[in-house]
Amino acid sequence: DGGITQSPKYLFRKEGQNVTLSCEQNLNHDAMYWYRQDPGQGLRLIYYSQIVNDFQKGDIAEGYSVSREKKESFPLTVTSAQKNPTAFYLCASSIELSDYYEQYFGPGTRLTVT
Amino acid sequence: DAKTTQPNSMESNEEEPVHLPCNHSTISGTDYIHWYRQLPSQGPEYVIHGLTSNVNNRMASLAIAEDRKSSTLILHRATLRDAAVYYCILRDAAGGTSYGKLTFGQGTILTVHP
Repeated sequence: DGGITQSPKYLFRKEGQNVTLSCEQNLNHDAMYWYRQDPGQGLRLIYYSQIVNDFQKGDIAEGYSVSREKKESFPLTVTSAQKNPTAFYLCASSIELSDYYEQYFGPGTRLTVT
Repeated sequence: DAKTTQPNSMESNEEEPVHLPCNHSTISGTDYIHWYRQLPSQGPEYVIHGLTSNVNNRMASLAIAEDRKSSTLILHRATLRDAAVYYCILRDAAGGTSYGKLTFGQGTILTVHP
C-alpha cells in the first residue's frame, strides 16, 4: 500500500541529545513537510521541501534541521538547540492535482525529552 | 496568509447532520478553502476543498457563501468515527513560495454522542 511511514511511534531522549525522526513515502510525491503539534494546538510548519536537494524553513525552524537526499525520504533532526522539543511530530507529502495540493500525513512520532 | 475563525468545539448526535462553520473575511480571490480533520493521535486527513462553488464528495459537502467570506462543512449523517478536530484552511493558489503549504489553526473539536 502507498503511504507515509514515520518511525518510531514513540521516542524518548535525554535533554542535550540530538535525535533524528524518520519519514519515508512511497507515493512518488515531490513535496514533503514537517509539522509540530503541541497539546490542544494546531499544526505548525517546521520545514518543507519541494524537490530533492532543496528545502525551505517554515514558521518554527529554529533548533531543527532536515535533509532531502532522496525523493522518498525527509528526515528531521531535533537538535539540542530546540528549547522545547517534546511534541507530536507529523510528516506529510503532497501532490499537485488539477487545482489544489492534497497533503497526506504520516501517523506521527511522539517525542518526549526529559 | 489569510486567517480563518472557527468555533472551539461543537457537539452532535449520531445519525444527525453537522454544520461546521468557518469565517474567512480576509480571503483573497486566489485562496482555496480546504478542510482537513484529525482523529485522536493520528495525522490529519483531507476532507474537501473548494474555490467558489459548493462541493460534494463521499465524505462531506462544502457550502461557500456567495461573498466567500465564510464557508460551512456539512457532514450529512454524523457517526462516532467523525469525532475529530476539523481544520478550515485557506491556501493561496497563486503559488510562488507558498507552494503546497497549509497553515493550520486550532480547529473545531467535534464530539459525536451515541
